[in-house]
Amino acid sequence: QVQLVQSGAEVKKPGASMKISCKTSGYTFTTYLIHWVRQVPGQGLEWLGRINPADAITHYSHNFEGRVTMTRDTSTTTVYMQLSSLTSDDTAVYFCAREYEGTCYFDHWGQGTPVTVSS
Amino acid sequence: EIVLTQSPDTLSLSPGERVTLSCRASQIVNSNFLTWYQQKPGQAPRLLIYGASSRVTGIPDRFSGSGSATDFTLTISRLEPEDSAVYYCQQYGGSMFTFGQGTKLEIK
Repeated sequence: QVQLVQSGAEVKKPGASMKISCKTSGYTFTTYLIHWVRQVPGQGLEWLGRINPADAITHYSHNFEGRVTMTRDTSTTTVYMQLSSLTSDDTAVYFCAREYEGTCYFDHWGQGTPVTVSS
Repeated sequence: EIVLTQSPDTLSLSPGERVTLSCRASQIVNSNFLTWYQQKPGQAPRLLIYGASSRVTGIPDRFSGSGSATDFTLTISRLEPEDSAVYYCQQYGGSMFTFGQGTKLEIK
């Protein structure tokens, strides 16, 4: 079955960077885009961007341009999301989610990675 | 950036009742790219409706979506206790994905 399994919780200092992973299985890695969405505690959902595992082409939200980097490793069918210059406002649960290109909706999600930014 | 505003923010209803949740967009949204999710505490969102009105396989037919342009709705025809959740609409447009702020539905 389709699975997106994310790395564990992280605690970071302000100004640091974080890098979390999303290990996929149960489908052909290169046929679905992977997106990253975050949820600040008690609040709504915010899209960070996406990567096409087939060619590594990325598209980032303008709200995160310059701070976010998404990469993929086809040998392990894993996608990574790095966010730099962290502030307390980046404290959130980060989700990866899958899209069949062109459908513009997310049919499977990872379990979420809680990230806390605190001094 | 297209802003989605959901209403109401919260509501509390009884099992068996019917509810309609609203999602209003700041600009016209392509109906093909309007989606609804359900999120329960501690879980990832779950896809319910895509293309404004297409129900995902396995989602009960109590759930239905409709709308066009700037006004979309999610209707749950006969509420069950397990429908307690936050419901989000989401759209794609202008190379951006945006979500509504969510409607919290409590089943009494």
